[in-house]
Amino acid sequence: SQQGEEDPQALSIQEGENATMNCSYKTSINNLQWYRQNSGRGLVHLILIRSNEREKHSGRLRVTLDTSKKSSSLLITASRAADTASYFCATDVGAGNMLTFGGGTRLMVKP
Amino acid sequence: NAGVMQNPRHLVRRRGQEARLRCSPMKGHSHVYWYRQLPEEGLKFMVYLQKENIIDESGMPKERFSAEFPKEGPSILRIQQVVRGDSAAYFCASSPGVGGTGELFFGEGSRLTVL
Repeated sequence: SQQGEEDPQALSIQEGENATMNCSYKTSINNLQWYRQNSGRGLVHLILIRSNEREKHSGRLRVTLDTSKKSSSLLITASRAADTASYFCATDVGAGNMLTFGGGTRLMVKP
Repeated sequence: NAGVMQNPRHLVRRRGQEARLRCSPMKGHSHVYWYRQLPEEGLKFMVYLQKENIIDESGMPKERFSAEFPKEGPSILRIQQVVRGDSAAYFCASSPGVGGTGELFFGEGSRLTVL
């Protein structure tokens, strides 16, 4: 079974709205990362949050981490059509940067 | 500074043939990871290599699959006697290892289709 599970699996919103994606995991982690994948392309790193951090911001992205609940959320504010992509959380349990990915949230932002 | 380079981007093989996928990590990166992605799914870890060493191959099937990262040249993921179930996108990622941030840098993937 996967370490990370994203929720929802798919999300459709209008441009300008906020998008929130959630990730749950099972074991203790060193850090949790979020990646983005456009259709047919490779993954691009968005943001990394360490196990001793609770919140992190990067531009329109806000990530939270609750290690007691083993969960994280990614918030994209003021979404744009160009944000349409799949978003994956990945956990690093400390084995040489080997990441375990969840199944992803497919975000569609309608113009 | 070139990113992670994978080739071929698309590969078509008939059942029973061999597939070889190549990955050149980013300059200065000595750690390579291979992942497999089925349509509409997440990435599944296959193997983690450092130069001339396989560190973790727990996600790679024991039969027909092999990987190497020689001292010189790209990392190679080799699939022998391919079957239809091997059809997937195979992604390579690299990291500098010690001193890195923990982030992985991905290539654009190699999409294998088995007829």
